[in-house]
Amino acid sequence: DVKVTQSSRYLVKRTGEKVFLECVQDMDHENMFWYRQDPGLGLRLIYFSYDVKMKEKGDIPEGYSVSREKKERFSLILESASTNQTSMYLCASSLWGHEAFFGQGTRLTVV
Amino acid sequence: GQQLNQSPQSMFIQEGEDVSMNCTSSSIFNTWLWYKQDPGEGPVLLIALYKAGELTSNGRLTAQFGITRKDSFLNISASIPSDVGIYFCAGPYNNAGNMLTFGGGTRLMVKP
Repeated sequence: DVKVTQSSRYLVKRTGEKVFLECVQDMDHENMFWYRQDPGLGLRLIYFSYDVKMKEKGDIPEGYSVSREKKERFSLILESASTNQTSMYLCASSLWGHEAFFGQGTRLTVV
Repeated sequence: GQQLNQSPQSMFIQEGEDVSMNCTSSSIFNTWLWYKQDPGEGPVLLIALYKAGELTSNGRLTAQFGITRKDSFLNISASIPSDVGIYFCAGPYNNAGNMLTFGGGTRLMVKP
């Protein structure tokens, strides 16, 4: 079974802090994604990576950056956390593109 | 990004009832995916559809790829309490590449 693991289930950070969300997958997938989930808005794509050191912006990249130094690891970085970034963050990976497998999510609260 | 519109936004039903939900798009999709998210977990793929008109089942779940390629439907028969969760439709971003765009979700609540 594909396993996508996010480093934290719950995080509380202060406004202005730099925040790192880590994601690791164990199936040698080329593609990895970061989504943000808010009530009524579904899942919105923040960033996508299709190879090591390669990335593309999704629908809402502002305030975020990503890092993919190794194939199995994809990090989401909040350069200066703000309260409007309080949300559920979901990492996913895929081999053939469309059938993405998700991690359990990180619920981030910025105070 | 593309808009996928799901309806209804939420449903509260009695155990044993059948459930129907749908997803529409303003543009044509080549693939439709249905995911379920249990409370506190990440979404899990339920059904994938790749051809217009395709009807696919997974246990009590049945999904259809609309003939127009602009919609898809998910039905759950004889609902049980563990069907509770959020159901998302998804399709490939701009019908190309490897990114998925998601609908807003249908929150299902089942009363025992």
